[in-house]
Amino acid sequence: EVQLVESGGGLVQPGGSLRLSCAASGFTFSDYHMDWVRQAPGKGLEWVGRTTKNTGDKYTTLYAASVRGRFTISGDDSKNSLYLQMTSLKTEDTAVYYCGRLPPGHWGQGTLVTVSS
Amino acid sequence: QAVVTQEPSLTVSPGGTVTLTCGSSTGPVTSGQYPYWIQQKPGQAPKTLVYDTSNIHSWTPARFSGSLLGDKAALTLSGAQPEDAAEYYCFLSYSGGMVFGGGTKLTVL
Repeated sequence: EVQLVESGGGLVQPGGSLRLSCAASGFTFSDYHMDWVRQAPGKGLEWVGRTTKNTGDKYTTLYAASVRGRFTISGDDSKNSLYLQMTSLKTEDTAVYYCGRLPPGHWGQGTLVTVSS
Repeated sequence: QAVVTQEPSLTVSPGGTVTLTCGSSTGPVTSGQYPYWIQQKPGQAPKTLVYDTSNIHSWTPARFSGSLLGDKAALTLSGAQPEDAAEYYCFLSYSGGMVFGGGTKLTVL
């Protein structure tokens, strides 16, 4: 059974950093596109970024314009885990962050990040 | 950045049929954009109903189907049930990444 479990959310001050984790089980995460999406309170879903392992064991990552240069997606094959390193956090980054496996679109339960002073 | 458009809200009667659509500012939506349809109820995580235009999950009720309709991706619900009331998001692939639509709030009334 495919499972994705996010962790690492919490309260952080503007300008601070936080690292989210996504533990994958039931599949090898490096075989799939792995995405991070987020949802600000009362708002719609927003794509954050994606990582894909290509031939030659290299990862390709893509980011939304709103987070490019501040967020970094990485993975640890040995732990079957995905990470989202967030730096220079802004109040508008406050959201529930979900990791997902695409296809076919499995999602975790999310972790809440609150950026506030 | 591309903009993905959805109807902000739709209402369907119980047992009725409704089609939600998903358009792209860059032109016709194609199968090469691997359209996803995601359902979300208040306080819950997203749940993918349809992926790659028309593929459904084992958990997707048979009353849901995905397709391309004209220039758009479409999600059709045939025989709406009260539990289908939710927000529905379309999700498309572009060369620079993925983009969500703004969501359609579906009311079953």
